Amino acid sequence: DQQVKQNSPSLSVQEGRISILNCDYTNSMFDYFLWYKKYPAEGPTFLISISSIKDKNEDGRFTVFLNKSAKHLSLHIVPSQPGDSAVYFCAASGNTPLVFGKGTRLSVIA
Amino acid sequence: ETGVTQSPTHLIKTRGQQVTLRCSSQSGHNTVSWYQQALGQGPQFIFQYYREEENGRGNFPPRFSGLQFPNYSSELNVNALELDDSALYLCASSLGEVYEQFFGPGTRLTVL
Repeated sequence: DQQVKQNSPSLSVQEGRISILNCDYTNSMFDYFLWYKKYPAEGPTFLISISSIKDKNEDGRFTVFLNKSAKHLSLHIVPSQPGDSAVYFCAASGNTPLVFGKGTRLSVIA
Repeated sequence: ETGVTQSPTHLIKTRGQQVTLRCSSQSGHNTVSWYQQALGQGPQFIFQYYREEENGRGNFPPRFSGLQFPNYSSELNVNALELDDSALYLCASSLGEVYEQFFGPGTRLTVL
């Protein structure tokens, strides 16, 4: 049973617009959430994280929002750039090994 | 600062064979985690080593085993290979923390 779900396999966005990637989780013991970005032939690269004591964390063009009651988090990228085209993985932990979603492939069209 | 490296990049084996994958941790990192990423899936935790001891294991059979060496490099061994073992194997290193993991580029294993 998937504890971390990314229900959109792919997303296409115009350059300069906002990209919103979504992630849902089922385990209420998760207290730390991360987003990783993965380019072909490379390992995942850490992007941004959020602790369950917060509902928002921002780093430059990237913002992660956490809604604990809905067990939902989202990653906002604004403005989107062609170099953001990659697979984005949501991951979660509750003093446990990281549990990853299946990923969302983002394509930013120039 | 040297990042996480893995070898080999690609590997082709046949069913029933054994394979060893290698990982060099990022400088100063004492914890190594191994993940299996099947096609279309996210990385799935296999096990973690901390200071040469296994420090947690995911839902993988005993034919998946590992080692960590005094220099914190690591090996993943898989015996009696099955077709479903075909995947990208990722190694990640960290300084004790579960969350701040740095991944290598992975080894693509194909089992025929």
